[in-house]
Amino acid sequence: EAGVAQSPRYKIIEKRQSVAFWCNPISGHATLYWYQQILGQGPKLLIQFQNNGVVDDSQLPKDRFSAERLKGVDSTLKIQPAKLEDSAVYLCASSPQGANTEAFFGQGTRLTVV
Amino acid sequence: AQSVTQLDSQVPVFEEAPVELRCNYSSSVSVYLFWYVQYPNQGLQLLLKYLSGSTLVESINGFEAEFNKSQTSFHLRKPSVHISDTAEYFCAVTRSGGTSYGKLTFGQGTILTVHP
Repeated sequence: EAGVAQSPRYKIIEKRQSVAFWCNPISGHATLYWYQQILGQGPKLLIQFQNNGVVDDSQLPKDRFSAERLKGVDSTLKIQPAKLEDSAVYLCASSPQGANTEAFFGQGTRLTVV
Repeated sequence: AQSVTQLDSQVPVFEEAPVELRCNYSSSVSVYLFWYVQYPNQGLQLLLKYLSGSTLVESINGFEAEFNKSQTSFHLRKPSVHISDTAEYFCAVTRSGGTSYGKLTFGQGTILTVHP
């Protein structure tokens, strides 16, 4: 079974530029999560999708971050404009529908804003 | 809301020595508890979890963790570590009874370094 796929693996941009990350979850997984992991910290949930609907985006900085999951499969996370403090690893995870289901994480995209 | 505190940011240990990685949590509701491991340049992998039942849970590679409700702790232990256990370990919690347990609150992480 293929795992959660993320691209690109690495990205370097200048502040005020825009950037997008892509995530393809495990086939059939209804729930998709985006986490932000700043160096030296644990991952922090940004947004949770159930199929193509948003379940929780309370910690997403909506003035600059946006995310979508069209057709309830893959997802994109966008930052526009980027700030220095957005430098982090962005992790995508997915889980099947149902009670007590484990989330599986991708390898992440490491973003450096200079 | 929940919070997680991992009491040690780095733990160096020699091969074949025992190790304990400490985790305390705070929550006003019942929670599920997890330990994840992150090897260099890899994604997070679930190591073990406590959902209910026996408070002592084990992983397939010799780690164990004990849920202590009175002390709100979920420390991770291994009696004899290997070089290959070198990684970053994250303690995490989620509210119990949810439809999935991917909505997690993580601790800051503990880097375990095993020396020969």
